[in-house]
Amino acid sequence: DIQMTQSPSSLSASVGDRVTITCRASQTIKSYLTWYQQKPGKAPKLLIYAASSLQSGVPSRFSGSGSGTDFTLTISSLQPEDFATYYCQQSYSTLFTFGPGTKVDI
Amino acid sequence: QLQLQESGPGLVKPSETLSLTCTVSGGSITNRGYYWGWIRQPPGKGLEWIGNIYYSGSTSYNPSLKSRVTISVDTSKNQFSLKLSSVTAADTAVYYCARQGDYWKSSDPWGQGTLVTVSS
Repeated sequence: DIQMTQSPSSLSASVGDRVTITCRASQTIKSYLTWYQQKPGKAPKLLIYAASSLQSGVPSRFSGSGSGTDFTLTISSLQPEDFATYYCQQSYSTLFTFGPGTKVDI
Repeated sequence: QLQLQESGPGLVKPSETLSLTCTVSGGSITNRGYYWGWIRQPPGKGLEWIGNIYYSGSTSYNPSLKSRVTISVDTSKNQFSLKLSSVTAADTAVYYCARQGDYWKSSDPWGQGTLVTVSS
């Protein structure tokens, strides 16, 4: 199985801050990496697919980068509605696996 | 606009079979290029991919659950279903259904999720 790790597991930030979350795969996953945002009591929402492609309707302050084993999600200027938990997920192998999540709060 | 909605019992007894259905509206489940998947999330924990199905019936399952999972599709009702047998308390979770693209396999959209509790 491909293991996914995320760092940090949680972070505190303020509105307007630049936030970076890292995701690492235990082996290469090329660009088969997706980022989701989840708010309490809600289903995850697709933000970024193919490591760096912004899903339609997602604000441009979100961006993704990386390939192979190391990936990054960046929020350029944190907004109040961005406080949530963020998950990465690989789909390179037939067993899709998620990272443990990064909680972004105030 | 494509929408997915999970339905099924919210309480299942240990050793019994969990059965959920996902109804797809606003689009056809037979559209080429998409898989239909199930993901679960235990309370307060992370996400776990259960498996998916193509409209033709081709399936892929998480090996850790494979012996207990069956995903099926009913194209006439535009629905797909999940059965998980021999459940234990560890299967208590919010269960989500979602559409997955056939290339990058990202999940979008998702259903709202349904909490299934395993308890006697």
